[in-house]
Amino acid sequence: EVQLVESGGGLVKPGGSLRLSCAASGFTFSSYSMNWVRQAPGKGLEWVSSISSSSSYIYYADSVKGRFTISRDNAKNSLYLQMNSLRAEDTAVYYCARGIAAAGGTSFFDYWGQGTLVTVSS
Amino acid sequence: SYELTQPPSVSVSPGQTARITCSGDALPKQYAYWYQQKPGQAPVLVIYKDSERPSGIPERFSGSSSGTTVTLTISGVQAEDEADYYCQSADSSGTSVVFGGGTKLTVL
Repeated sequence: EVQLVESGGGLVKPGGSLRLSCAASGFTFSSYSMNWVRQAPGKGLEWVSSISSSSSYIYYADSVKGRFTISRDNAKNSLYLQMNSLRAEDTAVYYCARGIAAAGGTSFFDYWGQGTLVTVSS
Repeated sequence: SYELTQPPSVSVSPGQTARITCSGDALPKQYAYWYQQKPGQAPVLVIYKDSERPSGIPERFSGSSSGTTVTLTISGVQAEDEADYYCQSADSSGTSVVFGGGTKLTVL
C-alpha cells in the first residue's frame, strides 16, 4: 500500500524557516517524481514544487522561487521542502504527492499524504 | 501566469447529472486531471488524461475535452459525491503545474 506521511509543520514567525519531510513507503520511491502542493485555509490547491526521480529536474511556483528548496533522498525514501523567509501568505496545509509523468511534460498526482499544517504568524 | 477557470459552485439533486467545466488556453495541448476533495481530507484523483478513470473510481465519473474546455461529468449523483472538485493541467511548456480554483458540488 502506498503511504506518504508528512511531518515538520508548525508555528513559525514571519522571516523564519521550516523544513518539511515526507516519508514514502509501499512503492519504489526512486522511480517517481515527487511534489509539494499546498492549500491555504479555506482556499484552493496551489502547486509548490516538483522534483524528478533522480533530482535532475526541479521546478518551483513563482510564489516560492528563491525561498523554498525541494530535495529528496532516495536511499531514505524521503522528500523534503526547506522553506526560508516565510511569509504570512505561506500559511497552509502542505501535501506531499507522488507524480506520474504524462505526454507534453505534464505530471499528475496519483497519491497524496494527509498534509502538515504550516502557520506563519507573529 | 497561466490560469484554469472553474465555476465556483454547481448544485444538483440526487440522481441527476452534474457537469463541472474547466477552461484554459493550453488545454488543447495539455492533458487535464480532476481531483475530488472532501472536508478535512486529502485530494483524490478521479480522472486522468482528460477521460481516463483510475481503478476504484465509480463509473459514474467521466471526463471529456473539447477545445479549450474540459468537463467532469458525474452521472446519477449521490450524496457522497458532495465535495470540492479541482481540475489540474500545465502551462504550454509543461514545466508549471496549474490547478483551477475549485468547484463546490452541492447535492441538494
